[in-house]
Amino acid sequence: GESVGLHLPTLSVQEGDNSIINCAYSNSASDYFIWYKQESGKGPQFIIDIRSNMDKRQGQRVTVLLNKTVKHLSLQIAATQPGDSAVYFCAERTGGKLIFGQGTTLQVKP
Amino acid sequence: EADIYQTPRYLVIGTGKKITLECSQTMGHDKMYWYQQDPGMELHLIHYSYGVNSTEKGDLSSESTVSRIRTEHFPLTLESARPSHTSQYLCASSGYSIGSEAFFGQGTRLTVV
Repeated sequence: GESVGLHLPTLSVQEGDNSIINCAYSNSASDYFIWYKQESGKGPQFIIDIRSNMDKRQGQRVTVLLNKTVKHLSLQIAATQPGDSAVYFCAERTGGKLIFGQGTTLQVKP
Repeated sequence: EADIYQTPRYLVIGTGKKITLECSQTMGHDKMYWYQQDPGMELHLIHYSYGVNSTEKGDLSSESTVSRIRTEHFPLTLESARPSHTSQYLCASSGYSIGSEAFFGQGTRLTVV
């Protein structure tokens, strides 16, 4: 079946450093991708999205890169802060369904 | 600010009871979703809907059922709860266009004893 996966279950970074969270997806027909942040006890919160006809999109302190050739998605967080500590999920939209991958837990060390 | 609400936030219930988890959104979104998530794990799609009177099963088999009689309301029902149903249930909604992100509710944490 379709699946979206992340490469690392846990990423630990120093406060102020840049973070890169990776995701590999399997369905080349997916036309829309989203990164979500989930804090403990809460529902996922939208961070940034990208359509399949783009390869890069920037937001405030976050950048998403899409490489359709290798079906790879990444989320870059600049100047990581303690408030960025959470679980991050990538999701792809295929045939009306929104499919999530396994999360990466981002730990920010002071 | 997302306007999607789930009730209850927490529910502890005995085996065999019938339960309904409520989800409502005020954004006029056509698409709605239910996900099941165990602590620290990925979200598994169990049901989704394209609009009124439309319901589809997701990728994860579930004994729950859903209905979509009104655009804003997408309740999930378990006819006979079992301990294996213990999990967090997350509801989401989105518009129909490709670039329409999904907004999530806070979730219902269900414990069946």
